[in-house]
Amino acid sequence: GENVEQHPSTLSVQEGDSAVIKCTYSDSASNYFPWYKQELGKGPQLIIDIRSNVGEKKDQRIAVTLNKTAKHFSLHITETQPEDSAVYFCAATDRLGADGLTFGKGTHLIIQP
Amino acid sequence: GAGVSQSPSNKVTEKGKDVELRCDPISGHTALYWYRQRLGQGLEFLIYFQGNSAPDKSGLPSDRFSAERTGESVSTLTIQRTQQEDSAVYLCASSSPGQGEAFFGQGTRLTVV
Repeated sequence: GENVEQHPSTLSVQEGDSAVIKCTYSDSASNYFPWYKQELGKGPQLIIDIRSNVGEKKDQRIAVTLNKTAKHFSLHITETQPEDSAVYFCAATDRLGADGLTFGKGTHLIIQP
Repeated sequence: GAGVSQSPSNKVTEKGKDVELRCDPISGHTALYWYRQRLGQGLEFLIYFQGNSAPDKSGLPSDRFSAERTGESVSTLTIQRTQQEDSAVYLCASSSPGQGEAFFGQGTRLTVV
């Protein structure tokens, strides 16, 4: 089955700086890679996703890059703000839908004021 | 409904007791998932329902865990003879078939004492 590794487990950055979270996956058949943000006491919420037919996707301050050859994908957050503080999870699946998602262990992002 | 609803939000139970957790998915979502999230850990897949198909139970950790779903609506996760290691947040999510985004509820925090 799929195995997703996520690094780092904790990331502390100064407000305004960029943050990068990296994930690797094992199953070359995986073709859908979402990123979820989980705030304290809440369920995870999708913030951006990418399919295997593109290498990069951007939505305002958030971007995701995918390297299928190396089987890794990354989340980039620019101009970080205090409200970006949360736990971020990457995931991968070889299905069209959300079934079969394998999640990474999460990254606790801390934005220092 | 407006989102995925889970109840109760918190549950404290004595070791050895049975518990039942409830999930109301978003109306029209045929896919429903249960995940377990231990403190500071990632999301552990438990079970997946898709329409009238047989559920994917491959993630259930033991025969003490079971889940049911009535048609394409409410689901209940039952844990029998609870153990302290069952303490975790249990998250439910739903999605439309072929759609990548899974919408999560706020979770049920289960504490076994």
